[in-house]
Amino acid sequence: AQKITQTQPGMFVQEKEAVTLDCTYDTSDPSYGLFWYKQPSSGEMIFLIYQGSYDQQNATEGRYSLNFQKARKSANLVISASQLGDSAMYFCAMREENTGTASKLTFGTGTRLQVTL
Amino acid sequence: GAGVSQSPSNKVTEKGKDVELRCDPISGHTALYWYRQSLGQGLEFLIYFQGNSAPDKSGLPSDRFSAERTGGSVSTLTIQRTQQEDSAVYLCASSSSLTSGGAEELFFGEGSRLTVL
Repeated sequence: AQKITQTQPGMFVQEKEAVTLDCTYDTSDPSYGLFWYKQPSSGEMIFLIYQGSYDQQNATEGRYSLNFQKARKSANLVISASQLGDSAMYFCAMREENTGTASKLTFGTGTRLQVTL
Repeated sequence: GAGVSQSPSNKVTEKGKDVELRCDPISGHTALYWYRQSLGQGLEFLIYFQGNSAPDKSGLPSDRFSAERTGGSVSTLTIQRTQQEDSAVYLCASSSSLTSGGAEELFFGEGSRLTVL
């Protein structure tokens, strides 16, 4: 079974608008972390935001926020005030704390975001 | 260097040849990871190093794949007798954390694109 599911292969958003990228996950581990990474055309993976499973509040980092709904096992990324430079692939990832490997992340298949004028 | 450095950035090889991919992590980072990204897919974990030892090799797809790390720094991923299905981008990441938990950030390189003809 897929541990991380990103159902949107591609998304378009107009500059200055907000966009939500979907991510659902599957785990039986009570302790886990959720991550979002951005991958521009250069190929480098850029860390955006982190949410721990025990965190009471949704994580925010500048224009990025994570809409964490634990009961629904979803961790959607919200980008506010989109900019042309936000055009990239976005990956959701999960770390299960019982894996025994620090930072062994399981990734989704990604969403390609295109910001238009 | 300032970031994770990988070489070569692009490698084209013939089926059956051996290839070596190199990763130079951020200075002082004890943890090093190799991931593989096939076309249109998310990242697939291959192997994790803590110092020079590899406590988790569970992601290596076959015995044709091996990796080593020397001096707690540079790592080499070797693929023997390459097959066409080995074609992918191989990403290296490093982090400073010794244990899991929290928003431990992975710093990724730009990857080595391997094409097996």
